[in-house]
Amino acid sequence: QSALTQPASVSGSPGQSITISCTGTSRDVGGYNYVSWYQQHPGKAPKVMIYEVSNRPSGVSYRFSGSKSGNTASLTISGLQPEDEADYYCSSYTTSATGVFGTGTKVTVL
Amino acid sequence: EVQLVESGGAVVQPGGSLRLSCAVSGFTFDDYTMHWVRQAPGKGPEWVSLINWDGRNTDYADSVKGRFTISRDNSKSSLYLQMNSLRTEDTAFYYCAKEGSDYYFDYIDSWGQGTLVSVSS
Repeated sequence: QSALTQPASVSGSPGQSITISCTGTSRDVGGYNYVSWYQQHPGKAPKVMIYEVSNRPSGVSYRFSGSKSGNTASLTISGLQPEDEADYYCSSYTTSATGVFGTGTKVTVL
Repeated sequence: EVQLVESGGAVVQPGGSLRLSCAVSGFTFDDYTMHWVRQAPGKGPEWVSLINWDGRNTDYADSVKGRFTISRDNSKSSLYLQMNSLRTEDTAFYYCAKEGSDYYFDYIDSWGQGTLVSVSS
């Protein structure tokens, strides 16, 4: 149950688009469409932004989108805004019937 | 409104035990799988355990298997985590969390505020 691999940090200017990758294996990301993404601001609980690879919960901005290719999932934030500055974590179901989170990516809005 | 309220966190010595509780409201508790997720200070979340709607199926992360036991009481809309043989590396905020779908494990759509477990001599 090794953590999924994410870049430690990604940054962008307001209005730009950024993409965060999440790399796993065929036993997790590559094997299922149960990949989700969470946003976490300091001192707060995580909030789901994307589920089942590309579905957006009601209330989440259309600027957030998800995709997957092979063993790598991606979260794209378009039209970056100051309030998007936070930590982001991917998560996946695994063949062991367990869950695994990613290593986390700090998004900085320049 | 969905509410998940954890309790039971404390400072405990290595080798000790602790039982966490989570009282839920705002949704039909026995319709959903429930999870425990922990997060060490300054670190990312780590999935710990889940229990299906009727309590018959449970799963655990390798790091806690054999030491932690998840359970639920649907009559009380409550979730529990019995933690035995605690180690310093178990120190973290423990979150009670609700499965977001009808599936066994898909994603988490609601989290509690967390309760701190500190394992230290």
